[in-house]
Amino acid sequence: RKEVEQDPGPFNVPEGATVAFNCTYSNSASQSFFWYRQDCRKEPKLLMSVYSSGNEDGRFTAQLNRASQYISLLIRDSKLSDSATYLCVVTYTGRRALTFGSGTRLQVQP
Amino acid sequence: ETGVTQTPRHLVMGMTNKKSLKCEQHLGHNAMYWYKQSAKKPLELMFVYSLEERVENNSVPSRFSPECPNSSHLFLHLHTLQPEDSALYLCASSQGPGSLVSRGNTIYFGEGSWLTVV
Repeated sequence: RKEVEQDPGPFNVPEGATVAFNCTYSNSASQSFFWYRQDCRKEPKLLMSVYSSGNEDGRFTAQLNRASQYISLLIRDSKLSDSATYLCVVTYTGRRALTFGSGTRLQVQP
Repeated sequence: ETGVTQTPRHLVMGMTNKKSLKCEQHLGHNAMYWYKQSAKKPLELMFVYSLEERVENNSVPSRFSPECPNSSHLFLHLHTLQPEDSALYLCASSQGPGSLVSRGNTIYFGEGSWLTVV
């Protein structure tokens, strides 16, 4: 079983739609959580950290559920420019680097 | 201008060639990483350097040889690669000795080097 699992998608949504992605992680020794965004043929870039209490950044809302071991990303009022792959990222105690999910591809259509 | 630069951006090499990928970070970070990204697979950690010392080698074949001469530069030397090694190789850096990535201390990637082995 993968340590960090995501639905690969693609999620095809119209502009203005609300879309949500989930990510599950299997190792309870997790420390920190992030969502990264990766555009086609580009490097991943930090979108937002995920805090235990949940956090919001403009149209983006991230939630963490430690009991069920999943995190989520909600995007409201989708824009064409939101089309990208969204990577769920977890750090674990004792490891010096991030563990990435395979990503969920979002395609926002006009 | 990106804080982490990689060269070359694209590389095509034969299986008997020797080549190197270069990474330079301008962020004053203390840790540097090599990741590999193959099609439809998650990013795979290859190597971690902290304060120029290799602290993690993620079971990478010996045909990949990293070098970290100082905290700003990282190389990946390539020798007798296989076609399945074709991928995007991403360099990254983060702050802090030990660099256990945390909420306030994430990593920044370079634009990557697209490698094709023929």
